[in-house]
Formats: sequence, C-alpha cells, structure tokens
Amino acid sequence: DTAVSQTPKYLVTQMGNDKSIKCEQNLGHDTMYWYKQDSKKFLKIMFSYNNKELIINETVPNRFSPKSPDKAHLNLHINSLELGDSAVYFCASSQGGANTGELFFGEGSRLTVL
Amino acid sequence: AQSVSQHNHHVILSEAASLELGCNYSYGGTVNLFWYVQYPGQHLQLLLKYFSGDPLVKGIKGFEAEFIKSKFSFNLRKPSVQWSDTAEYFCAVNARSNAGKSTFGDGTTLTVKP
Repeated sequence: DTAVSQTPKYLVTQMGNDKSIKCEQNLGHDTMYWYKQDSKKFLKIMFSYNNKELIINETVPNRFSPKSPDKAHLNLHINSLELGDSAVYFCASSQGGANTGELFFGEGSRLTVL
Repeated sequence: AQSVSQHNHHVILSEAASLELGCNYSYGGTVNLFWYVQYPGQHLQLLLKYFSGDPLVKGIKGFEAEFIKSKFSFNLRKPSVQWSDTAEYFCAVNARSNAGKSTFGDGTTLTVKP
C-alpha cells in the first residue's frame, strides 16, 4: 500500500479552469502538507494542516484553497488557473512531536497549464 | 526565520569518486536536519536525519552526514558514488520551536557518469 497517495498524477488544463488534487495518507500521521516544486526543482511549502486545522499558510494566492475533511486527507483546489501555476505539487505527511520535520511524500501531481 | 543554503547547484562525478555536498542553515535554536533524495521522475525520499546524539549519522545506500553545530552545517558524504546515485539532493531544516515547518535548500543535482 502506498503510504501517501495523490491523484491525479498528471493534469493538463487551460488557463482559467479550476482543478483539484487529492491526497490521502495511511500512516496515521496528524500533520499533512502541500509543497510546490517549480521547474527549477525549488521546493516551497504552501500549506500545512494538523488534525484538520490549518497551521501553516504561506503567501499563496487565495486562488489556492486547501481542505482537510479528516486528518488522513488533504485536498488542494485551484481556481482560475494561471500559466505560473504549472509545477509539480507534492503532498506530504509527518508524525509531529519529536520526529518533527521528517516528511513522507506522495509521488507528486504534475500540473501543466496551457 | 530559518533558511538553508546548498552551495553546489550541479555536481558531476565519475563512478567511484567521493562525494561531499554542502549544506548550511541559519537558525539560532535547536534544529532537526534532513537530507532527501529525488531520483529522476520520482518523489522525495528520506536519505538520513539528525535529531540529537552522535553528530555523524548514517543513512541508506552508504550515505552519511555530519552535523557540525559550530558551523551550522550538515554536509552529505559518500565515499564512492554509483551511477544509480544520479538524482537531486535536498537538505532541509526544521526548527523545533517552529514545529511542522521544514525549510528546504534549493537542491543539488548530482550526475554520476558511468
């Protein structure tokens, strides 16, 4: 079983459309994240949820809206897609506590905006 | 705020050469330190981690890293690289007082020539 799974793996869409990416973890972790990796491989945190509560919200346009229905799921909805949103979006989870920072990543969702 | 600097953007080595990738962080408090590896087309995986104790930590596939507190460094080493080590390597720091937020370096692309 994949520990952190994301769907879809690939998304190709037109500018202005709305799209969602889903993430699920079966590790029993309390904390989940969305990271964005751009074409230069730079990795930046976008959001983090701890037990369904938003705890990190970096300076991300409000076109991006995360939702955590329960602590095992964290979805990302993007409105009015722009060319600059093209990237690989990684979901991750962590146990927290003394192991804070050890991240388990999903396989990524490659978004291409045309 | 915490930050991470990886000095080498692209390293090219021949098989059996020794590897050292530099990583420095800036943060005055206690940190957890990580190296992640991203093989071509894949997600990030944990290579090794330091929380406390022996500053020389060993990870998977023969990698090791040394935490030097006085230098704020956590350099990655491998005595003899293989072609299969070709990948992107990311150093990350998580300040324990900033639980949950890991900051990544910009990554180092390692190319190993057969």
